[in-house]
Amino acid sequence: NAGVTQTPKFQVLKTGQSMTLQCAQDMNHEYMSWYRQDPGMGLRLIHYSVGAGITDQGEVPNGYNVSRSTTEDFPLRLLSAAPSQTSVYFCASSYHQRNTDTQYFGPGTRLTVL
Amino acid sequence: AQSVTQLDSQVPVFEEAPVELRCNYSSSVSVYLFWYVQYPNQGLQLLLKYLSGSTLVKGINGFEAEFNKSQTSFHLRKPSVHISDTAEYFCAVSEAQGGSEKLVFGKGTKLTVNP
Repeated sequence: NAGVTQTPKFQVLKTGQSMTLQCAQDMNHEYMSWYRQDPGMGLRLIHYSVGAGITDQGEVPNGYNVSRSTTEDFPLRLLSAAPSQTSVYFCASSYHQRNTDTQYFGPGTRLTVL
Repeated sequence: AQSVTQLDSQVPVFEEAPVELRCNYSSSVSVYLFWYVQYPNQGLQLLLKYLSGSTLVKGINGFEAEFNKSQTSFHLRKPSVHISDTAEYFCAVSEAQGGSEKLVFGKGTKLTVNP
């Protein structure tokens, strides 16, 4: 099992550019989510999905879109990047959205928006 | 809604010394509690979790945590730390039945173990 994989590891964008952060898991997990990590802020939930075709907003969804066409993949799209979106992005998955489940995290994508 | 407070943003200790990382939570319903660790340039991984039963929970790498309902705390402890324990540690809470199912993280505590 590769677990949760994320690409790219690093990315630099200019303000206004768009891009997609990729996330994939091979554990047949139903629940997937995206977090951003900023210094002194911990992890904040951006969007999540409880299964293919179902997505919902988290704590900080503005400026981001997601889709879940397959169980394995959960891409995060930045439509028009802003400097405030400079952050480290983590994708996570778990078997279900049960509040007892362990979250499995990817290695992260470090994004800089100039 | 639930919330988590990690009382120390940075904790420096010497190798082989004991360490306690403090975590307090707030919730109007019963909770489940987690500690995750993030080693440099890596994603988070689960150290331990409290779901029910014994209030003393043992995790990986010699860490343990104690759930104290009256003090709404879930402090993480290790009797003797190693250089390799240098990492950032996150406390997280989710609410039990009737509450939000989302996992809420604290802001993290950076543990630095010095030789």
